[in-house]
Amino acid sequence: QVTLKESGPVLVKPTETLTLTCTVSGFSLSNARMGVSWIRQPPGKALEWLAHIFSNDEKSYSTSLKSRLTISKDTSKSQVVLTMTNMDPVDTATYYCARIVGATTTFDIWGQGTMVTVSS
Amino acid sequence: EIVLTQSPGTLSLSPGERATLSCRASQSVSSSYLAWYQQKPGQAPRLLIYGASSRATGIPDRFSGSGSGTDFTLTISRLEPEDFAVYYCQQYGSSRTWTFGQGTKVEIK
Repeated sequence: QVTLKESGPVLVKPTETLTLTCTVSGFSLSNARMGVSWIRQPPGKALEWLAHIFSNDEKSYSTSLKSRLTISKDTSKSQVVLTMTNMDPVDTATYYCARIVGATTTFDIWGQGTMVTVSS
Repeated sequence: EIVLTQSPGTLSLSPGERATLSCRASQSVSSSYLAWYQQKPGQAPRLLIYGASSRATGIPDRFSGSGSGTDFTLTISRLEPEDFAVYYCQQYGSSRTWTFGQGTKVEIK
């Protein structure tokens, strides 16, 4: 069974750096066909794509947030990590990781999401 | 960056009725790179349609997708109680980035 699970802090302070981890199971991040994205959703609002790491370790970032984001993976731990610097209350959201397989460009499996609140 | 605009924002219908949801792109999108997702409260999105018109595994055939270029449509032929949810379209662009529409809520009338 393929699963993704997000983990990280529930609460961060403004200006702090957020680090989120996506732990995958049922597939390998070293598989040449697997990629993982991070997507967020503020309460009551739409989905926003943040970053993607391709199977060959290439990365892609949201244009508007590129300067604040870093995505990486540790295939031995089956984990994809997202860091976001200089957090602000507007970054309060549920953060999801999701999988893309092969040349498809659709997210076939999603994690349950983790809610992050930015507040002092 | 391509912007996806979904309409209407909210669709109020009764079970058994037909739902037609629109997704319009600010510039032409390859049909191969257009998808639709369903999201229920408190849940992660679920892939419904990929490649503009192909149903994902396990998706009932009352869901169908169509369109090309800048205009895409998700149709639910007969609404079941479990279909009342928010629907998002998504595209993948040449700059290797993804964008979502703002969503259409299908609510019970």
